[in-house]
Amino acid sequence: DVKVTQSSRYLVKRTGEKVFLECVQDMDHENMFWYRQDPGLGLRLIYFSYDVKMKEKGDIPEGYSVSREKKERFSLILESASTNQTSMYLCASTPMALQYEQYFGPGTRLTVT
Amino acid sequence: KNQVEQSPQSLIILEGKNCTLQCNYTVSPFSNLRWYKQDTGRGPVSLTIMTFSENTKSNGRYTATLDADTKQSSLHITASQLSDSASYICVVSASGGSYIPTFGRGTSLIVHP
Repeated sequence: DVKVTQSSRYLVKRTGEKVFLECVQDMDHENMFWYRQDPGLGLRLIYFSYDVKMKEKGDIPEGYSVSREKKERFSLILESASTNQTSMYLCASTPMALQYEQYFGPGTRLTVT
Repeated sequence: KNQVEQSPQSLIILEGKNCTLQCNYTVSPFSNLRWYKQDTGRGPVSLTIMTFSENTKSNGRYTATLDADTKQSSLHITASQLSDSASYICVVSASGGSYIPTFGRGTSLIVHP
């Protein structure tokens, strides 16, 4: 079974802090994604990566950056956390056969106070 | 612009009853459509995936239908259980090399005893 893990289930940070969210997948998938999910808005794509050291902006990249130094690991970075970044963050991966379904991690509930 | 619309936004039913959730999309050219179930505070989990040539696909008490001509899909839940309480998300992918699927905003289902 594909397994996508995220470093924390719950996280509380203060405004202005630098925040790292880690995602690891164990199926050698090429593509990895970061989404945020807010009530009434559904999942919105922040960034995605189709290879090591490659990244593409999604729909809402402002205030975020990403890092992919190894194939299995995709990190989301909040350079200076703000209260409007309080959200559920979901990581997903998919193999290079692009039409396969995405495998999601359990999510990180981030609260910025 | 590719869009996925789901209805209703929320639904409350009694345990044991059936229900049907709707998904309309404008994604083109169509590749596949997936239904996910997302329990509160968890990542989405795939229920079904359907390609252009498939009209119906079942997964236990869940049956998805697809009409590629009208660009509509439905998810029918039979003999609902309390554990069916969740958000159900419709996701559509285009063919032609796009990495990015289009997500609906989900239908929130609550099953009461």
